[in-house]
Amino acid sequence: KQEVTQIPAALSVPEGENLVLNCSFTDSAIYNLQWFRQDPGKGLTSLLLIQSSQREQTSGRLNASLDKSSGRSTLYIAASQPGDSATYLCAVRRGDSSASKIIFGSGTRLSIRP
Amino acid sequence: DTGVSQNPRHKITKRGQNVTFRCDPISEHNRLYWYRQTLGQGPEFLTYFQNEAQLEKSRLLSDRFSAERPKGSFSTLEIQRTEQGDSAMYLCASSLGQGSEKLFFGSGTQLSVL
Repeated sequence: KQEVTQIPAALSVPEGENLVLNCSFTDSAIYNLQWFRQDPGKGLTSLLLIQSSQREQTSGRLNASLDKSSGRSTLYIAASQPGDSATYLCAVRRGDSSASKIIFGSGTRLSIRP
Repeated sequence: DTGVSQNPRHKITKRGQNVTFRCDPISEHNRLYWYRQTLGQGPEFLTYFQNEAQLEKSRLLSDRFSAERPKGSFSTLEIQRTEQGDSAMYLCASSLGQGSEKLFFGSGTQLSVL
């Protein structure tokens, strides 16, 4: 059974710092991994999607990496801003052809201090 | 607006009442997902449609829950005889399929059962 863990559950850093959020998963047979952002009381916004054959994806100040063999993904945020404050969730999609379930971690609540 | 739309945004009901939520996915997306999210947790998979066919249901989806997607367009999620434990955010997501599994989420329906 796939389990997805995100540590730490909460993180507070001063504005301008570079930071790394972690996501680990127990079953390396994944189809893809997706990072989302969620603002309080809102839905999820997709940030980056990494296919199982890829090692990383970049969008602006965000860079996501994937290491299937170790069951890990990281989301790197450069030059953090107060507007980056939100909960960040990773989600792993199973790799078998019948898979439709996407398993989410519990998220890391990020707070950027001005 | 071409995003995923969910209605209502908030629903307060008394225990034992039935409630129905609606999701309008992005028009060309043939896959539609329902998730449930409680405070501090990641979304949990409930069910999944490919066009009008409901292909998978989670064991979380008791017989009080039913979902439909007539004509492969909008979807409804009905909860009968609501219980206080049903209080949660109900999220809908859609994806294009055809090899692109990037999920697009709606803003969710927050259900409170009194």
